[in-house]
Amino acid sequence: KAGVTQTPRYLIKTRGQQVTLSCSPISGHRSVSWYQQTPGQGLQFLFEYFSETQRNKGNFPGRFSGRQFSNSRSEMNVSTLELGDSALYLCASSLGLAGGYNEQFFGPGTRLTVL
Amino acid sequence: GENVEQHPSTLSVQEGDSAVIKCTYSDSASNYFPWYKQELGKRPQLIIDIRSNVGEKKDQRIAVTLNKTAKHFSLHITETQPEDSAVYFCAAHEKLTFGTGTRLTIIP
Repeated sequence: KAGVTQTPRYLIKTRGQQVTLSCSPISGHRSVSWYQQTPGQGLQFLFEYFSETQRNKGNFPGRFSGRQFSNSRSEMNVSTLELGDSALYLCASSLGLAGGYNEQFFGPGTRLTVL
Repeated sequence: GENVEQHPSTLSVQEGDSAVIKCTYSDSASNYFPWYKQELGKRPQLIIDIRSNVGEKKDQRIAVTLNKTAKHFSLHITETQPEDSAVYFCAAHEKLTFGTGTRLTIIP
């Protein structure tokens, strides 16, 4: 089975711009979660989508949004980029809801740099 | 909301010795506690997990213990090897909260 894929792998944007990241889960997985990884902050949960519905949300501002399509692929959008948004963005897929004893499989991440 | 604290942030261990990483959580509703290993430049991968109705789980050199009353859980790695060098993250699920990670270095 192909693993979780994310595109693009690297992005450079300037402050004020917006960005869209994409995540393709493992075939058959219905849950996609998004995380922000920064040095010293570990993995911070953004949101989880399951069957095209947001099921769980972390403590991030409304500039961070996402959606999931009928084929379980998910996109994450960040509007009005700030310098502090520079990070590695990881998505993870699981068969069922991530909070329900389901192992999460991570993608390679998208490295976003905001200048 | 859920808060997960992880200690220590860095840990250096002589090869062959044991390593212990500890995490505490705040939400008593948390019921699933996975541990992830992230090697340099790679994605996190699940190495072991434990459910709230179990006190201990072991898989070869790795074990996890859970104390629900005290709300803490620990990762134990015995007979450490160079390939154990990585960043380890604990997590508490109900709200998908991760600890800030422990950088483990095995000294040959």
